[in-house]
Amino acid sequence: SSELTQDPAVSVALGQTVRITCQGDSLRNYYASWYQQKPGQAPILVIYAKNNRPSGIPDRFSGSRSGNTASLTITGAQAADEADYYCTSRDSSGNHPVFGGGTKLTVL
Amino acid sequence: QITLKESGPTLVKPTQTLTLTCTFAGFSLSTNGVGVGWIRQPPGLALEWLALIYWDDDKRYSPSLESRLTITKDTSKNQVVLTMTNMDPEDTATYSCAHAPDYYGAYFDYWGQGILVTVSS
Repeated sequence: SSELTQDPAVSVALGQTVRITCQGDSLRNYYASWYQQKPGQAPILVIYAKNNRPSGIPDRFSGSRSGNTASLTITGAQAADEADYYCTSRDSSGNHPVFGGGTKLTVL
Repeated sequence: QITLKESGPTLVKPTQTLTLTCTFAGFSLSTNGVGVGWIRQPPGLALEWLALIYWDDDKRYSPSLESRLTITKDTSKNQVVLTMTNMDPEDTATYSCAHAPDYYGAYFDYWGQGILVTVSS
């Protein structure tokens, strides 16, 4: 089992705002980063180190943290955002990365 | 432009050792703070981090697989090699290497396309 827990599936209406969460004790001490993965493709980093977006990632993607929960918020979800989303951070020992179990986002 | 590409066998037999090579371009693994990691994804399942090697030869392994994994680097060839011993059908997955830009972070900003490795007799 993963040290980071995500809801398996989330849905959002087109144009609405959705929050995808990631829970884990290590998140009290380390920031989460987030990946988007579409079928048959490599993951794409969308948020890293608290709330930084790599070049080319739309500003509708943002990250936040509260206690042991990190969140990825998509403001004004688009059809192109339908994908699996994975959080990652350090494990509780701080020694290495760990991934969450992933959340499948459906845009209705 | 950073690129990474995995190479190796796509079919291995149970109990055999898997050796995968990640060949990269656009960065140097002798640059302070930089690392290369390996991640796998069984069909239809989640990402799983396996191993990571840093510019200073610091090596990290997944605790659940540490006894089976070895990661090495050849800075002159821009390559990182992962070996996994005693392969099992449950190790069937797409294996990817990725660039870690920040020693203190836990993320990968560039990924290879991945290589699907099937374990079957």
